[in-house]
Amino acid sequence: DVKVTQSSRYLVKRTGEKVFLECVQDMDHENMFWYRQDPGLGLRLIYFSYDVKMKEKGDIPEGYSVSREKKERFSLILESASTNQTSMYLCASRTTGGAIREQYFGPGTRLTVT
Amino acid sequence: KQEVTQIPAALSVPEGENLVLNCSFTDSAIYNLQWFRQDPGKGLTSLLLIQSSQREQTSGRLNASLDKSSGRSTLYIAASQPGDSATYLCAVGGLYNQGGKLIFGQGTELSVKP
Repeated sequence: DVKVTQSSRYLVKRTGEKVFLECVQDMDHENMFWYRQDPGLGLRLIYFSYDVKMKEKGDIPEGYSVSREKKERFSLILESASTNQTSMYLCASRTTGGAIREQYFGPGTRLTVT
Repeated sequence: KQEVTQIPAALSVPEGENLVLNCSFTDSAIYNLQWFRQDPGKGLTSLLLIQSSQREQTSGRLNASLDKSSGRSTLYIAASQPGDSATYLCAVGGLYNQGGKLIFGQGTELSVKP
């Protein structure tokens, strides 16, 4: 079974702090994604990565950056956390090989910025 | 721009009832469509994935259908159980993707009463 893990289930940070959210997948997937989920807005894509060291902005990249130094790990960075970044953050991965390109999600990180 | 809509937003049914959840999308140029389940405060669990060339997929009591020409998918749940209570999300992968990005509907919150 594919496993996508996220470093923390719950995180509380102060405004202005630099925050790192880590995501690791164990299936050698090329593509990895970071979404945020908010009530009434659904899931929105922040950034995604085609492969190691390759990244693309999603729909809402402002205030975020990402890092993918190794294939299995995709990090989301909040350079200076703000209260409007309080949200549920979900990481996902998928392979680009074959026709079946199912996307697998991690358990999520509930981030609160105070 | 692809838009995904799920109706109804919430549904409450008695145990044992068969039910249908609806998903519609505006652009028929899709690569695949994925149905997910999300329990409160948790990540997404993939239920079914339908390729654009397929009409339906089945897994246990779940059956998902796809009609690209009309921009619709349905998730049929047979003999519902209280354990089926969760939010169900559909997501569409674009044909000319975009790195595998999924566009999500807002979800249908299902409650199955014992």
